[in-house]
Amino acid sequence: DAGVIQSPRHEVTEMGQEVTLRCKPISGHDYLFWYRQTMMRGLELLIYFNNNVPIDDSGMPEDRFSAKMPNASFSTLKIQPSEPRDSAVYFCASSATNSGTGELFFGEGSRLTVL
Amino acid sequence: GENVGLHLPTLSVQEGDNSIINCAYSNSASDYFIWYKQESGKGPQFIIDIRSNMDKRQGQRVTVLLNKTVKHLSLQIAATQPGDSAVYFCAENGDDYKLSFGAGTTVTVRA
Repeated sequence: DAGVIQSPRHEVTEMGQEVTLRCKPISGHDYLFWYRQTMMRGLELLIYFNNNVPIDDSGMPEDRFSAKMPNASFSTLKIQPSEPRDSAVYFCASSATNSGTGELFFGEGSRLTVL
Repeated sequence: GENVGLHLPTLSVQEGDNSIINCAYSNSASDYFIWYKQESGKGPQFIIDIRSNMDKRQGQRVTVLLNKTVKHLSLQIAATQPGDSAVYFCAENGDDYKLSFGAGTTVTVRA
């Protein structure tokens, strides 16, 4: 079974550039989460969706960050303009309501470096 | 003072010994707890979970203990192996589907 698929795995960009991270959740999962991991702050929840609808975006750091989920099999996290402090590993995760547990399945992450 | 980053607890254990990783959670209303393992360069992976109506659950070589009185969770790994070297996170979930993660414990297995 394919797990959560993220792209790109690595991205190096310059300050001010737009960054788009992509995620394909596990088929049949109705929840999708975007997390950010840094040494300073650990794993932080940025936003999550249920049935493609954003439920809680209180973790999105500022207006430079936006996330969309146009359909059940695709989500994007966009940073525009990017700043060096956005450097982190960004994880996408999905889960299924009917699992009864809420277990999250994580992708391999997208490591972003902003110079 | 200056924030120099999270102070991650570390655990060094001899191969073959048992490991115990501890976690304090904050929300007394949380009803579901999970342990995740994160290897270098990978995403967190599910190890074992426990609901708040239980105080112990066992898996393959792993046991999770929950003490709701003091809001404490522990993960025990039996006969620790080199492949167990990783960062271990506890996570808690209330009545929604958001998981809140702890800071993590780095486990290093000595051969």
